Amino acid sequence: GAVVSQHPSRVICKSGTSVKIECRSLDFQATTMFWYRQFPKQSLMLMATSNEGSKATYEQGVEKDKFLINHASLTLSTLTVTSAHPEDSSFYICSAPDRGGETEAFFGQGTRLTVV
Amino acid sequence: AQTVTQSQPEMSVQEAETVTLSCTYDTSESDYYLFWYKQPPSRQMILVIRQEAYKQQNATENRFSVNFQKAAKSFSLKISDSQLGDAAMYFCAYRSYGGGATNKLIFGTGTLLAVQP
Repeated sequence: GAVVSQHPSRVICKSGTSVKIECRSLDFQATTMFWYRQFPKQSLMLMATSNEGSKATYEQGVEKDKFLINHASLTLSTLTVTSAHPEDSSFYICSAPDRGGETEAFFGQGTRLTVV
Repeated sequence: AQTVTQSQPEMSVQEAETVTLSCTYDTSESDYYLFWYKQPPSRQMILVIRQEAYKQQNATENRFSVNFQKAAKSFSLKISDSQLGDAAMYFCAYRSYGGGATNKLIFGTGTLLAVQP
């Protein structure tokens, strides 16, 4: 079946540096991908919707300049955390809908970001 | 605005037994989707089951079935013949109908299911 591959699975970076997280759809084209953030023992919080060939749609309260999203092709979306701070440490998850577009059926493995 | 409530933060079930996870939601819409997702210790989310609100028949996927009560706005998940691999966090989620990706998923707070051998 369809697979979404997310890399890296874990990353540790220093404060002030930038980190890029990739999300690839391996055997299907995803015109839309979603980026979530999950704090320990909490639910998923949608950060933004990534749209191929156009600007991402950010949720209220999410800093666009800090969390840069690029969806340059039908199989790749990236999330770059710029000028990372310890409070950005979290678990980030990407997902893609199925062909009908109504069901988020495919999730990446997640990325645990630790900013030191 | 729509909300999803999971009132059971934790549940436990014996292996091979049946367990039901509760979910209620609030909406003024008549057409929508409801989902159950599983997040095992690996933390990769897995779609368990999906229900379209316009369908009266309850969705089933192997050992997983739902009890969808539209009037009561209730959407419980029943896991039959529980297995050790079913141990995970389970999230109930809602999405408005139509609009494709413009409608975001609204998640409940989750129920952590433990399976006792």
